[in-house]
Amino acid sequence: QKEVEQDPGPLSVPEGAIVSLNCTYSNSAFQYFMWYRQYSRKGPELLMYTYSSGNKEDGRFTAQVDKSSKYISLFIRDSQPSDSATYLCAMSGFGNEKLTFGTGTRLTIIP
Amino acid sequence: NAGVMQNPRHLVRRRGQEARLRCSPMKGHSHVYWYRQLPEEGLKFMVYLQKENIIDESGMPKERFSAEFPKEGPSILRIQQVVRGDSAAYFCASSPPSTSSNQPQHFGDGTRLSIL
Repeated sequence: QKEVEQDPGPLSVPEGAIVSLNCTYSNSAFQYFMWYRQYSRKGPELLMYTYSSGNKEDGRFTAQVDKSSKYISLFIRDSQPSDSATYLCAMSGFGNEKLTFGTGTRLTIIP
Repeated sequence: NAGVMQNPRHLVRRRGQEARLRCSPMKGHSHVYWYRQLPEEGLKFMVYLQKENIIDESGMPKERFSAEFPKEGPSILRIQQVVRGDSAAYFCASSPPSTSSNQPQHFGDGTRLSIL
């Protein structure tokens, strides 16, 4: 079993829809949770960075962490064609800097 | 450009040659990380370095791979005697120093290594 599981998609939604992306994990030592966006032939771009459980909102993006269920989510409101990319979840333990990534979900927003 | 800089962007080598990948961290960042991304797979951690020190190399293959981050100049990931299986995208990330909590890592655009 992988430490971090993420549905690879692909996921296609119409413009303006709410997108829900999620990851599950098995390592209870993970304390920091991130979402990255990666466009084709580019590096991952940090979208959201959260510590422990709870919600964090930044513009159209909301990240949720439920440590009791070992489940994290990223919501994108009012989705735009420019949101079309691969979304990677990543996590790390306190004092352990290395990131463990999900395989990524490929998202397409249809105009 | 204040971001993480990687070069070259594309590198082609023949089997048995050496590959050198360079990474300059963001200004003010003293921690460097290398990750490898194989087709249809997520990024896999390789090594974490601070200036002149390897902090965690648990993801590095035991042979042919080495990394350094000298006092002056960029971090270097070196692959000796490359094989076809080394073909991948190699990403570098950097973060600022911290004594109290993990800091977010920011990535470069990677070096795409192709082995003929």
